[in-house]
Amino acid sequence: AQSVTQLGSHVSVSEGALVLLRCNYSSSVPPYLFWYVQYPNQGLQLLLKYTSAATLVKGINGFEAEFKKSETSFHLTKPSAHMSDAAEYFCAVSDQGSGNTGKLIFGQGTTLQVKP
Amino acid sequence: DSGVTQTPKHLITATGQRVTLRCSPRSGDLSVYWYQQSLDQGLQFLIQYYNGEERAKGNILERFSAQQFPDLHSELNLSSLELGDSALYFCASSVSPTYNSPLHFGNGTRLTVT
Repeated sequence: AQSVTQLGSHVSVSEGALVLLRCNYSSSVPPYLFWYVQYPNQGLQLLLKYTSAATLVKGINGFEAEFKKSETSFHLTKPSAHMSDAAEYFCAVSDQGSGNTGKLIFGQGTTLQVKP
Repeated sequence: DSGVTQTPKHLITATGQRVTLRCSPRSGDLSVYWYQQSLDQGLQFLIQYYNGEERAKGNILERFSAQQFPDLHSELNLSSLELGDSALYFCASSVSPTYNSPLHFGNGTRLTVT
């Protein structure tokens, strides 16, 4: 069965600093991985997805993530944080263990705080 | 705007009652997923429909049921409500139920059971 673990439930950075949100996955087959962002009182918005085409994936709002098989990681980064990046971020893996359903298994989420 | 519409946005009801949450998927999407988000459990998959048929079942209680109609909208029915059912319920849709097809989420229905 697939799973993801997000390291750190809260991350705080200063505006302009590097953002690094950590996600490790567990999967016995090549995984399909996603990052979503949830702003207050809104639904989840897709930031980017990894589907084995390239290990470095670029997403919206300046975010990118690198798939590292040797480390079973898919960390999310952004070179320079903006105040508007404050939100909750979720890493997810497509569940390939129960047939072709497309359903996602989510990590517990990381709340990003950006300080002025 | 994801294109997924959920109604109502907020719902306050008493224990023992029954409610219905509604979801309209993005135009062209055939697959609908329901998730429950709570502080202690995080995002939990409840159930999925594809083109009117149940495709996958997750941690959905027997008191909960869902269906997808011919026009592809979906409803999640929650009955005999308990305080612990208070949560944010999300609907998501995708074009097809495949591993690399991203889910597009609605803004959710916040259910409060008093």
